Amino acid sequence: ETGVTQSPTHLIKTRGQQVTLRCSSQSGHNTVSWYQQALGQGPQFIFQYYREEENGRGNFPPRFSGLQFPNYSSELNVNALELDDSALYLCASSLFRGRNMNTEAFFGQGTRLTVV
Amino acid sequence: AQSVTQPDIHITVSEGASLELRCNYSYGATPYLFWYVQSPGQGLQLLLKYFSGDTLVQGIKGFEAEFKRSQSSFNLRKPSVHWSDAAEYFCAVGGPKYMYSGGGADGLTFGKGTHLIIQP
Repeated sequence: ETGVTQSPTHLIKTRGQQVTLRCSSQSGHNTVSWYQQALGQGPQFIFQYYREEENGRGNFPPRFSGLQFPNYSSELNVNALELDDSALYLCASSLFRGRNMNTEAFFGQGTRLTVV
Repeated sequence: AQSVTQPDIHITVSEGASLELRCNYSYGATPYLFWYVQSPGQGLQLLLKYFSGDTLVQGIKGFEAEFKRSQSSFNLRKPSVHWSDAAEYFCAVGGPKYMYSGGGADGLTFGKGTHLIIQP
C-alpha cells in the first residue's frame, strides 16, 4: 500500500508568481484535502476534493485553487503569491464510502514553499 | 465553528516518565477527534482517533486517549515515554460534515500543537 506522496519537497518562488503543488493519494482513497501550516502553527484547512469537484473550503481566497484527477491525484495552485503564503503545504487523503463512512485522513510529507 | 485548544505549548518529560497532553475542543455535538504527531520537517502521522463507542482509545506507539464529553476533552497519554517520542503533537477535530463528502464537507480543525521535549 503506497502512502500519500507530495512533490516537490521544497520550492522557492518570488512574490507575484504562481505555483503548482502535486499530491498522489494513498492507494484506494478517493478524497483529498489540502492544508496550510505556517511556522509554529497547526495546519489550516484550505479545501477538499471528491469526485473531481471541490466540496468544502476553508477561509482561503480564490487565488488558492485546486484540481482532482480521475486517478485521485491532486494539484494545489496558488496565484499571485504573497510573502504570507510561505508555509508547509500538506495533502491528506481519505476514503469516503458513503454517508457517515469517511475514514481518517492520512497525510503526506508536505511541500515547503518559501516566497521571497 | 469548532475550535481546538492545546493549553501547553511546550512540555518537558524525563525518559521513562508518564505523559499527558491536553486537548480541549469547542463543539456542540460529538465531534470526530484525532491526535497526530509531526517530527521536524515531516508530515503528520495519525496516532489515534475517536469516532464513537468506547471513550478510551488505543493508538500506535503505546499512546492512548480518553474522550470526556463532560469536559470537552480528549487528552493523550503514554505510560512511559521514549526519546523517540520527542516531536510536535496536534489534536484535531472534525465536525459532522467531516463524514459527508458531498457538498460542504469540512476539513479538520487543528490545535496549535504541543512541543514535547524528552530529557535523558
